[in-house]
Amino acid sequence: SSELTQDPAVSVALGQTVRITCQGDSLRSYYPSWFQQKPGQAPVIVIYGKNNRPSGIPDRFSGSSSGNTASLTITGAQAEDEADYYCNSRDSSGKHVVFGGGTKLTVL
Amino acid sequence: EVQLVESGGGLVQPGRSLRLSCAASGFTFDDYAMHWVRQAPGKGLEWVSGISRNSGSIAYADSVKGRFTISRDNAKNSLYLQMNSLRAEDTALYYCAKDTEDYSNYFDYWGQGTLVTVSS
Repeated sequence: SSELTQDPAVSVALGQTVRITCQGDSLRSYYPSWFQQKPGQAPVIVIYGKNNRPSGIPDRFSGSSSGNTASLTITGAQAEDEADYYCNSRDSSGKHVVFGGGTKLTVL
Repeated sequence: EVQLVESGGGLVQPGRSLRLSCAASGFTFDDYAMHWVRQAPGKGLEWVSGISRNSGSIAYADSVKGRFTISRDNAKNSLYLQMNSLRAEDTALYYCAKDTEDYSNYFDYWGQGTLVTVSS
């Protein structure tokens, strides 16, 4: 299956650490990307590959993968991190990209 | 500065066609694959189609295969999406996204999107 499963909603206290997970068989073959999307804005990539962070993304964002599960960790969550987060990967053909359903992160 | 600017969206009746364009600047366009991703109102992201740097590799989501055609003109730094036989469920904000490689799932830049509304 090429589906990716994410928890619909996660909350974290300000300054605490939160892990957002993404599950799917395709993650055994391909590293994911993680995207942050705030209301009314286009998605922004925050992590891609094994654990690559684009320039401008704070180092509190990190990624990891094990088996069929990938995780995005925010260490010391800030109010501005409140957003929807999406993972993606590819199917077995390597050509079709699939997105997870998204996780709404609330920073309390 | 990388810029992706989509255009061509609008209100269209079911069964009709629409062609989206994405004008790229600020990077060497023909070095990277490109993708279309859509987002229905209040819903999540859905990958629509991808095209490799030289158009040699193209793929479509099952939901649009046979109705949509992706293409690119490297001389014009432009990406296109020809959408035929449009359905109500195609209503969405359509984003153009730049790949970090010649075909991957790593999309490092996105446009602001163009809205397609399919309704009678």
